[in-house]
Order: sequence, then C-alpha cells, then structure tokens
Amino acid sequence: EIVLTQSPGTLSLSPGERATLSCRVSQSVSSSYLAWYQQKSGQAPRLLIYGASNRATGIPDRFSGSGSGTDFTLTISRLEPEDFAVYYCQQYGSSRALTFGGGTKVEI
Amino acid sequence: EVQLLESGGGLVQPGGSLRLSCAAYGFTFSSYATAWVRQAPGKGLEWVSIISGSGGSTSYADSVKGRFTISRDNSKNTLYLQMNSLRAEDTAVYYCAKGRSGYYSDLVVWGQGTLVTVSS
Repeated sequence: EIVLTQSPGTLSLSPGERATLSCRVSQSVSSSYLAWYQQKSGQAPRLLIYGASNRATGIPDRFSGSGSGTDFTLTISRLEPEDFAVYYCQQYGSSRALTFGGGTKVEI
Repeated sequence: EVQLLESGGGLVQPGGSLRLSCAAYGFTFSSYATAWVRQAPGKGLEWVSIISGSGGSTSYADSVKGRFTISRDNSKNTLYLQMNSLRAEDTAVYYCAKGRSGYYSDLVVWGQGTLVTVSS
C-alpha cells in the first residue's frame, strides 16, 4: 500500500508570502505521476498540477510543482487571498489505486 | 463546458443500499476513465473506485470492495455507484471525477458532490 504524507499539516502565512508544501510518497512514483489539488471550504477539489510539474488549464503561474521519485513540492510564489485553502497531493503511477495525501491547510 | 453532476445521495440506515448517479456533459464520455472519490465530514479525500471509458475495467479501494459496484452507461453519459451494506463510516460527500487519460490518472474535472449519510 502506497502512503502519501503531506507536511506541514497547517501552514500559517500572510498574503504576499511564499508557501512551500511537501508530499512524501512511501514508494517511488513512476513517471512522476503526482498531482496537486486545491479545495476551498464547501467546494469540490480543483486540479492544480499534474505530472508533478505541469499546471492544469487556467491555473496561475504563481503555482508550481516539482520533485520526482518519492519527494514532491508544491510552491505558491506569492499568496493571494483566494489561495488560502486545503491542498492535497495524489499519486496515480503506482499500485492498483489512486491515493491521496492527508492534506495541508494554508491559513492566514 | 465540461461538467459532472452527481445525484442520489441521502439518508440511509446501516445495512441499507443507495445508488449514486453522475451525469456528464460537454465531452465524449466513453473516452475517459471516471472515478468516485469521497470525503467524510471534516476529513481528507479518499479514492473509492474507478472505471475505464469502455466499462471493461474497474478497481476499488479495499474499504468498499465487495460492497460497492461502479458502472457506466455510455449511451446515457452517466456513471453509477451502487452502494450496498452501508456502514456509518461510509458517511461522506461523494464526488465523481473525470480522468485525464488512460486508466489511473489525475482527475481533471470534478462534480459538486452528493452527501450520503448512514445513520439510524
């Protein structure tokens, strides 16, 4: 069973600051099949990043993804007020399942 | 516009059954794998099941295997989740989501979700 561990659990920052979110996978993810989602309160998740580093359609370039193997990072270069939300990573390259991390809450 | 619209949620007693539906709009439904993902109140996302575009391949999380059945009717552009032997721990918002390509994939578009509450 693949486990995705996100850290920190909560990130307290101010608008304009840089956010760095981590996702560690218990087994190497093939072909960087790692995605990031944003979820605001009461809303469905929204895809931000796929293939570890590719921005989804319509996602601002302040969001970037990096990493490979077992260690991945989501960076928000300058936080906007609408970026305060919960972020999840997901792997889709290994095992016969899709697996999500536990989430990181980015709060003001 | 690509859109997914879930329905069928509600209150059900433990041990009961419920069938969720997800209507798809704005894309060639039969060309894409589609998944169910759930979120218990105040908790994170949990993948439930996935089905290939043709319907010929399915996979399930261990937590629902043997109790839930995913299916699709490509002529109606609709995805289903038949849930039997429901437990309190199945209480969650259930989302359907469209894959990008292939079978296991990132989930490009999500519905708004439907709430399932299992309680006596």
